[in-house]
Amino acid sequence: DTAVSQTPKYLVTQMGNDKSIKCEQNLGHDTMYWYKQDSKKFLKIMFSYNNKELIINETVPNRFSPKSPDKAHLNLHINSLELGDSAVYFCASSQVLRSLNEKLFFGSGTQLSVL
Amino acid sequence: GENVEQHPSTLSVQEGDSAVIKCTYSDSASNYFPWYKQELGKGPQLIIDIRSNVGEKKDQRIAVTLNKTAKHFSLHITETQPEDSAVYFCAAKHNSQGAQKLVFGQGTRLTINP
Repeated sequence: DTAVSQTPKYLVTQMGNDKSIKCEQNLGHDTMYWYKQDSKKFLKIMFSYNNKELIINETVPNRFSPKSPDKAHLNLHINSLELGDSAVYFCASSQVLRSLNEKLFFGSGTQLSVL
Repeated sequence: GENVEQHPSTLSVQEGDSAVIKCTYSDSASNYFPWYKQELGKGPQLIIDIRSNVGEKKDQRIAVTLNKTAKHFSLHITETQPEDSAVYFCAAKHNSQGAQKLVFGQGTRLTINP
């Protein structure tokens, strides 16, 4: 049983297209995240949702729009894709947003390549 | 905001030797410091963590030390094995926009040579 699953694993697309990445967690967690990992492996938070409510929104272009239909799902829609959007996108979840030692459970990532 | 610096970016050690990865953080209010291991093609996984009220924590071959005064913490892996080869990330918990978030270091690619 995969705890945090995201699809697709690979996404190759042309500049200017719109694409979505889906994420689901079966851990019963309240909080979900999107992280971006660039080619140098740098891992940076993009968004955080707690029980369907947006909690953290880093300085991400508004071409990126997260959607949380329920607390088990957090999807990421990207409009007008640019070359610089190429990266690995990780979904993650944690049990409690404000606990001291919240452990993050990561999905296996979606490698996005914009041509 | 919080800034986490991690060194070295790459580390190569002989199997059986020890490996040490060091991180520094900037926000003295940060109070939780986890370490994540990322294997090829997978997402990061928590391997050990430490709270700010503790100076050292050990779990079998891995240990983490924290110096709050100097604002740095380290990961120590002893008796390294080939399966320890991976990218390791340190992180510090930081309060942002009313929520606590993890800020990650740049990562260390550890290679264990047989």
